[in-house]
Amino acid sequence: GQNIDQPTEMTATEGAIVQINCTYQTSGFNGLFWYQQHAGEAPTFLSYNVLDGLEEKGRFSSFLSRSKGYSYLLLKELQMKDSASYLCAVSDNNDMRFGAGTRLTVKP
Amino acid sequence: DTEVTQTPKHLVMGMTNKKSLKCEQHMGHRAMYWYKQKAKKPPELMFVYSYEKLSINESVPSRFSPECPNSSLLNLHLHALQPEDSALYLCASSQSSLRTDYYEQYFGPGTRLTVT
Repeated sequence: GQNIDQPTEMTATEGAIVQINCTYQTSGFNGLFWYQQHAGEAPTFLSYNVLDGLEEKGRFSSFLSRSKGYSYLLLKELQMKDSASYLCAVSDNNDMRFGAGTRLTVKP
Repeated sequence: DTEVTQTPKHLVMGMTNKKSLKCEQHMGHRAMYWYKQKAKKPPELMFVYSYEKLSINESVPSRFSPECPNSSLLNLHLHALQPEDSALYLCASSQSSLRTDYYEQYFGPGTRLTVT
């Protein structure tokens, strides 16, 4: 079976940095994805990690440690529009499962 | 064109109705997916088509019947649904299937289904 855990809610201030953690236990591993989902909208792809280390994409970075079953998404220079749910998803050979999502609220 | 389209956007149906959800992409992707998402829950994978063949069925009830007429189209046929099937149904596509390397999934806007 698979377990993907991430915090339910987080709050941060505009302009700040926030780190959203994700831990996973899976039978196999083909990669870890982060998606952003605004309320009532479809998920949109943010990042993909399959090797250990940090992947940077503008204001967003994602880190993976396969030995620890751990990833985080780092959001810098937060903007109000970053208020959304952030979904961690893990794929093995036969499945793609999402964590429950972290609802991030950015305050002025 | 990086868009996945879905129709209809909203659907209300009775438990005895038969309806279909449609999904289309023109990115040349060879894998397409159906997900079900309940409110405040993550998407749950229902079906995966790879090269127009059903490769994964997550033990979804038979009242949901997927169809992939060609590499650009994906349908989900609905029959005798239950009220608990009310949810957002998301279609996604990717360059390759779950069994290979990197495959960013592009999601459509979803069909919000209400079963009365």
